[in-house]
Amino acid sequence: AQKITQTQPGMFVQEKEAVTLDCTYDTSDPSYGLFWYKQPSSGEMIFLIYQGSYDQQNATEGRYSLNFQKARKSANLVISASQLGDSAMYFCAMREVYSSASKIIFGSGTRLSIRP
Amino acid sequence: EAQVTQNPRYLITVTGKKLTVTCSQNMNHEYMSWYRQDPGLGLRQIYYSMNVEATDKGDVPEGYKVSRKEKRNFPLILESPSPNQTSLYFCASSPGVGRDSRPYGSNQPQHFGDGTRLSIL
Repeated sequence: AQKITQTQPGMFVQEKEAVTLDCTYDTSDPSYGLFWYKQPSSGEMIFLIYQGSYDQQNATEGRYSLNFQKARKSANLVISASQLGDSAMYFCAMREVYSSASKIIFGSGTRLSIRP
Repeated sequence: EAQVTQNPRYLITVTGKKLTVTCSQNMNHEYMSWYRQDPGLGLRQIYYSMNVEATDKGDVPEGYKVSRKEKRNFPLILESPSPNQTSLYFCASSPGVGRDSRPYGSNQPQHFGDGTRLSIL
C-alpha cells in the first residue's frame, strides 16, 4: 500500500544554511512520481519540485533539489542557502502510475523555521 | 490566469445544516480531488474524479458527497455536517493519468485552490 513518511515535525535552521527535509515512501508500483509542496502561513499550496521513479538524475529547481535514493525509497528535499521566506510547512506527496493512479497521498509535513 | 477557485473561503455553521463548497478550474483538467488538512495528519484525500461522471472515494470519504457533472466543477457536499468535519479543505486539479508505458499526466503537479476553512459548531 502507498505510504509517505515525514519524520521531522519541525526544524529550525539558520538563515543561509542548507537544509534537508526527509521523506520516505512505500509502494509496490514500479512507476510513480514524487512531489514536494510548500505551504506558507497564508495557507496556499505551492508546487516546488517533481521526481519520477525512472528519472536518471535527481531533480533540481533553482535552490531546491531532490536527493532521490530509489533503493532506500527516500526522496529528501534539499534547500540551499535558506532564506527567511522559506519558513513554511513542507509536504512530500506520491502518485502511483499503475496500481492506484487515481490516488495521491501526502506525508504529515515538516514545519521549517528559518532563524535570522 | 490558470486557477482553481473555491468558495467560500471561510464558513462557520452548525451541526446538521447542509452545506456545499464549490470548486471550479479553468485548465480543462480531467482529474479533480478534494482533501482535508488537519494538524499532524497532512492532507488526506476525501474524493477524487478522473473525469466527468467518474468519481471515487479517497481515504476519508465518510460524511461527504461529490458530483462531477461538468469537467470544470467538482463541488463537495456535507449533507449533515458534524464537528469532526471542522477542517481546512482543499480542492485540486491536474491533467489525467494514462496507463501506457509513458503515462501522461503522472508527472503533472496538482493545482490547488486557496482552501476553505470550515468550522462546524
